[in-house]
Amino acid sequence: GAVVSQHPSWVICKSGTSVKIECRSLDFQATTMFWYRQFPKQSLMLMATSNEGSKATYEQGVEKDKFLINHASLTLSTLTVTSAHPEDSSFYICSANPGLAGETDTQYFGPGTRLTVL
Amino acid sequence: AQKVTQAQTEISVVEKEDVTLDCVYETRDTTYYLFWYKQPPSGELVFLIRRNSFDEQNEISGRYSWNFQKSTSSFNFTITASQVVDSAVYFCGLIGGSNYKLTFGKGTLLTVNP
Repeated sequence: GAVVSQHPSWVICKSGTSVKIECRSLDFQATTMFWYRQFPKQSLMLMATSNEGSKATYEQGVEKDKFLINHASLTLSTLTVTSAHPEDSSFYICSANPGLAGETDTQYFGPGTRLTVL
Repeated sequence: AQKVTQAQTEISVVEKEDVTLDCVYETRDTTYYLFWYKQPPSGELVFLIRRNSFDEQNEISGRYSWNFQKSTSSFNFTITASQVVDSAVYFCGLIGGSNYKLTFGKGTLLTVNP
């Protein structure tokens, strides 16, 4: 149990285009999902918390108009990188908390999406 | 504010050696949760363990063991008889109190050579 998937696993796009990344909880419902960004050889940085049926909560310094988050159902959150530029190239990882007994706060992570903007 | 420090950036060992990855944390919360995740070259983070602040019992799972010491704010991770498949980046994480945000350390790259 507690499987999180992401699609696509990698994407290459031209500068100025928008890219949508999907995060799905496969065997549980998640009212909250998290989006992280990871640069090479660095740690994960939380970008935003995605809340089902309401607006996402963005971390300080993250442009909400650039990184659009939609959490339309209990099993799907999407991150859209709008007007992508080369500096947006990174590894994007989502996570969700299935609320399992004894570990209600444990996050399970998706496999990540590697975005390259040319 | 909460902080996680993994002082070891990289560790290299030979197969079958034991290795300990250090993790030191800071939090003002009396209730908090500590985690270890493994990130192999594929990139996916694999959950290894969760420990709450009221449970200081050490835990062993196969070749993995964890030593939680509140007195030194440490939550160290030991791999016994390391194997090449253990090569990965290992992250220590912390969630403090009612704050659901997971704070990660910078990670330790473990390389196990045959």
